[in-house]
Amino acid sequence: EIVLTQSPATLSLSPGERATLSCRASQSVSSYLAWYQQKPGQAPRLLIYDASNRATGIPARFSGSGSGTDFTLTISSLEPEDFAVYYCQQRNNWPPITFGQGTRLEIK
Amino acid sequence: QVQLQESGPGLVKPSGTLSLTCAVSGGSISSDNWWSWVRQSPGKGLEWIGEIYHSGNTHYNPSLKSRVTISVDKSKNQFSLKLSSVTAADTAMYYCARLTLMEIVLYFDYWGQGTLVTVSS
Repeated sequence: EIVLTQSPATLSLSPGERATLSCRASQSVSSYLAWYQQKPGQAPRLLIYDASNRATGIPARFSGSGSGTDFTLTISSLEPEDFAVYYCQQRNNWPPITFGQGTRLEIK
Repeated sequence: QVQLQESGPGLVKPSGTLSLTCAVSGGSISSDNWWSWVRQSPGKGLEWIGEIYHSGNTHYNPSLKSRVTISVDKSKNQFSLKLSSVTAADTAMYYCARLTLMEIVLYFDYWGQGTLVTVSS
């Protein structure tokens, strides 16, 4: 089973700042990695797929990069609605599909 | 706009069977998508349970495979989850979700709002 490790666990930033979230895989997942955003009381929402492709309707301030075992989600300039929990997920080596444990992005 | 809605008992007794249904609206369950169950608990984060295609083909998480059955009812445009021999560790928010092929790989693009299931006597 591929383990995805996200860091940091919590990131405290202010609106307008740049956020950089990391996801590291225990073995290569090629580029088959997604990022999801989850707000309290809501289901996850797909942001990025195949490591760097924005999903439909996702603002350009969200970008993803990486391949193999190291991936990054970047939010170029934080908006108030961006403060949430972010998860990475892989489907390269499955079953099972696996998720990271999440990074909580909170307002500083 | 595709919508998914979970339903089922919110309380299940230990050693019993958890049964949930996901109703799909705004689209056909016979479309070229896979349909999945994912759960979320504070201790384990997001955990993929399994998935089904409208043909009935399934894939399950090996850690749950011995206890899980996912089925599809095309006439009702819905799919279901059964998890047997439940314990307190199965207490979680259960989501149904759609998987869509994005170039090469399937990803979750639509989710239900989730339903909380508590295992307790």
